[in-house]
Amino acid sequence: QVQLVESGGGLVKPGGSLRLSCAASGFTFSDFYMNWIRQAPGKGLEWVAYISNTGSTIFYPDSVRGRFTISRDNAKNSLFLQMDSLRVEDTAVYYCARRTGSNRAFDYWGQGTLVTVSS
Amino acid sequence: ENVLTQSPGTLSLSPGERATLSCRASQSVSSSYLAWYQQKPGQAPRLLIYGTSNRAPGIPDRFNGSGSGTDFTLTISGLEPEDFAVYYCQQYGSSSFTFGPGTKVDIK
Repeated sequence: QVQLVESGGGLVKPGGSLRLSCAASGFTFSDFYMNWIRQAPGKGLEWVAYISNTGSTIFYPDSVRGRFTISRDNAKNSLFLQMDSLRVEDTAVYYCARRTGSNRAFDYWGQGTLVTVSS
Repeated sequence: ENVLTQSPGTLSLSPGERATLSCRASQSVSSSYLAWYQQKPGQAPRLLIYGTSNRAPGIPDRFNGSGSGTDFTLTISGLEPEDFAVYYCQQYGSSSFTFGPGTKVDIK
């Protein structure tokens, strides 16, 4: 069955960096576009980054562009999010999510990893 | 950015009742690119509906989606105890994804 398992969250000071990982299994990882989506405590969902199946196409919203970098290693079935210049407002649970083929929805989600940015 | 607005913010209903949730977009959304999710406390969101009206695998037929353009609706006919949760709509357009703020369906 499809599994997505995030890791790498933790406590970091403002201005610091953190690298999240997502291990995928149960499907052909290299066939699917992948995303990071976050949820601040008690708040709604915010899309953070998108990467095509080959890694050739990447998109970010304005809120993280220039600070966050999404990447993937198809040989290792892994997705990454490098987060630099972290801000207090980046505090959230970060989910990796698989995008459906033609409908641009997110059909499988990991359990999430908590990132806390605080001094 | 295509901003999604959901109403009502909270819907208080009893088991067995019908729930009607609204999602309104600031710009037109392709019907192929509108989805709905359910989220329970401490859990990741679960895809319910994609392409406006297509149920994801394993989703009961009491969940139905409809709409077009800027107005979309999720209807839950006959609420079951496990349906009390927060529901989000989501759209894709112009290389960007946005979510609505959510509608909480709680027990009256």
